[in-house]
Amino acid sequence: KQEVTQIPAALSVPEGENLVLNCSFTDSAIYNLQWFRQDPGKGLTSLLLIQSSQREQTSGRLNASLDKSSGRSTLYIAASQPGDSATYLCAAQSNDMRFGAGTRLTVKP
Amino acid sequence: DVKVTQSSRYLVKRTGEKVFLECVQDMDHENMFWYRQDPGLGLRLIYFSYDVKMKEKGDIPEGYSVSREKKERFSLILESASTNQTSMYLCASSPPGANTGELFFGEGSRLTVL
Repeated sequence: KQEVTQIPAALSVPEGENLVLNCSFTDSAIYNLQWFRQDPGKGLTSLLLIQSSQREQTSGRLNASLDKSSGRSTLYIAASQPGDSATYLCAAQSNDMRFGAGTRLTVKP
Repeated sequence: DVKVTQSSRYLVKRTGEKVFLECVQDMDHENMFWYRQDPGLGLRLIYFSYDVKMKEKGDIPEGYSVSREKKERFSLILESASTNQTSMYLCASSPPGANTGELFFGEGSRLTVL
């Protein structure tokens, strides 16, 4: 059964820093990996989807990479802003979709 | 833009009541899902559906049922609500191709059972 782990569980950085969030998965036979953002009390907003044949995806200040062989994905956020404060979740899709517990990010002004 | 709408953002119900949570998507997606999210437990799949009239159990179906009479609508039913069903419920949809599509979520329904 696929297990997805996100480290760290929480991260606090000053505004303007570049940062990396980590996601690891135990079964490398995935179809895709998706990153989400969740604000308190809200649903999940899709940020980036990386298909298994891709190595990375970019959207604005966000860049997600995928290394299937090592079972790892990273989400890179450039020039962080207070508005980036949220919980970030990754999910690995194989026969079903498994979610990590999330990384709670705080960007201080 | 894909829109997944959950009709009730906040509900308070009493133990034993029948509860309906409604979810509608506007992108003609075949696949629809119901999750619950609890602190420390993350997202857990309750039920999913790959087509009208079709339903499949997820990881925690006990105490729940679903209905999918129309492609755009997927309802979660709590036959007799219990306090341990107090949770955030999230509906999601994705395009056809069961294992490749991007997943889109609604805003969530926060249910409290007293």
